[in-house]
Amino acid sequence: TQLLEQSPQFLSIQEGENLTVYCNSSSVFSSLQWYRQEPGEGPVLLVTVVTGGEVKKLKRLTFQFGDARKDSSLHITAAQPGDTGLYLCAGTLDSNYQLIWGAGTKLIIKP
Amino acid sequence: DAGITQSPRYKITETGRQVTLMCHQTWSHSYMFWYRQDLGHGLRLIYYSAAADITDKGEVPDGYVVSRSKTENFPLTLESATRSQTSVYFCASSEWEEVSYNEQFFGPGTRLTVL
Repeated sequence: TQLLEQSPQFLSIQEGENLTVYCNSSSVFSSLQWYRQEPGEGPVLLVTVVTGGEVKKLKRLTFQFGDARKDSSLHITAAQPGDTGLYLCAGTLDSNYQLIWGAGTKLIIKP
Repeated sequence: DAGITQSPRYKITETGRQVTLMCHQTWSHSYMFWYRQDLGHGLRLIYYSAAADITDKGEVPDGYVVSRSKTENFPLTLESATRSQTSVYFCASSEWEEVSYNEQFFGPGTRLTVL
């Protein structure tokens, strides 16, 4: 059983549409990170959220950490083909330095 | 250039052969990690190292060996490669700070095929 569940697993939408992907758990995390991975490359850190209810924005991307620190969401406004990639969430538990990884959401933005 | 590099980028080998994947980072980060990425499994931690000469097992260590004689290098060895070890391997590093969330920086990956 995946400790961090990401949904949807796959999403294909048209350029200009909005979308939200989710990262959910029954565990409380001390931090939650979002990474983007493009084909043939390693994941690249986009953002880290650490406070319950925290919202961070990165241009058209909005990241939110749930109040209870058990879930997070990534919202993309007016998606562009350059947003295409695999989006991974990962978190740290209070008791452990190791990153717990979600399986990822594969996002395709069609021109 | 500063960063984290992996070599080779692509490798084809045969069952039973020994293979070593190299990882080098220029940030002097304390922590280094090896992951494998397979469809349906996401990233799975193989081994990690907190400092030179300190290594520990991750989620899927069987069949792999690591060493870390220098802070900047963290090679991963498949002692006797098996087909199930066909995967994309990523090396990553992070720095431990007082308030650290283990934000990791990844190399470009090595795509390994075991025939």
